[in-house]
Amino acid sequence: QKEVEQDPGPLSVPEGAIVSLNCTYSNSAFQYFMWYRQYSRKGPELLMYTYSSGNKEDGRFTAQVDKSSKYISLFIRDSQPSDSATYLCAMSGYGGSQGNLIFGKGTKLSVKP
Amino acid sequence: GAGVSQTPSNKVTEKGKYVELRCDPISGHTALYWYRQSLGQGPEFLIYFQGTGAADDSGLPNDRFFAVRPEGSVSTLKIQRTERGDSAVYLCASSLTGPNQRGGYTFGSGTRLTVV
Repeated sequence: QKEVEQDPGPLSVPEGAIVSLNCTYSNSAFQYFMWYRQYSRKGPELLMYTYSSGNKEDGRFTAQVDKSSKYISLFIRDSQPSDSATYLCAMSGYGGSQGNLIFGKGTKLSVKP
Repeated sequence: GAGVSQTPSNKVTEKGKYVELRCDPISGHTALYWYRQSLGQGPEFLIYFQGTGAADDSGLPNDRFFAVRPEGSVSTLKIQRTERGDSAVYLCASSLTGPNQRGGYTFGSGTRLTVV
């Protein structure tokens, strides 16, 4: 079992739909949870950052972390064609000197006009 | 600079050759990271620099891979005796201080390495 599991999709939705993306993980030491968006032939771009459990909202995006279930989610409201990209969850449990972010495989999202 | 710059954007090399990939981080960022992304996969950690020193190189797959950051700014990832399995996108990222900071990492667009 990989440390971080993410359904690779692809996921296709109509414009305006609510999108739900999620990841599960096995390492209970993870404390920092991130969602990155990656357009084709570009590097990942940070969307949301959450420390420990709870919800965080930023515009149309909401990130949720449930550490008891080892489950994180990203919700996109009123999805737009420009949201079409691959969404990567990433997490780490280390402070100090270690820089090892563990990424999921990514979910490819397509929002149809 | 305004973002993380990686050169070249594409590199095709023959099996057994040596390659160097360059990363120019955001000015003032002390932390620099190298990741490798294979097709259909998420990025996998290779090495993390804090200043000039490698703080964590646990992700380097073997001794054919080496990275330097001699002046605490630009970094070079070096791969000796390349193999077809090394083909991937090599991503560089930087952050203002260290890992897990609230601003996350800023990634470059990567170098697409193809070993033929």
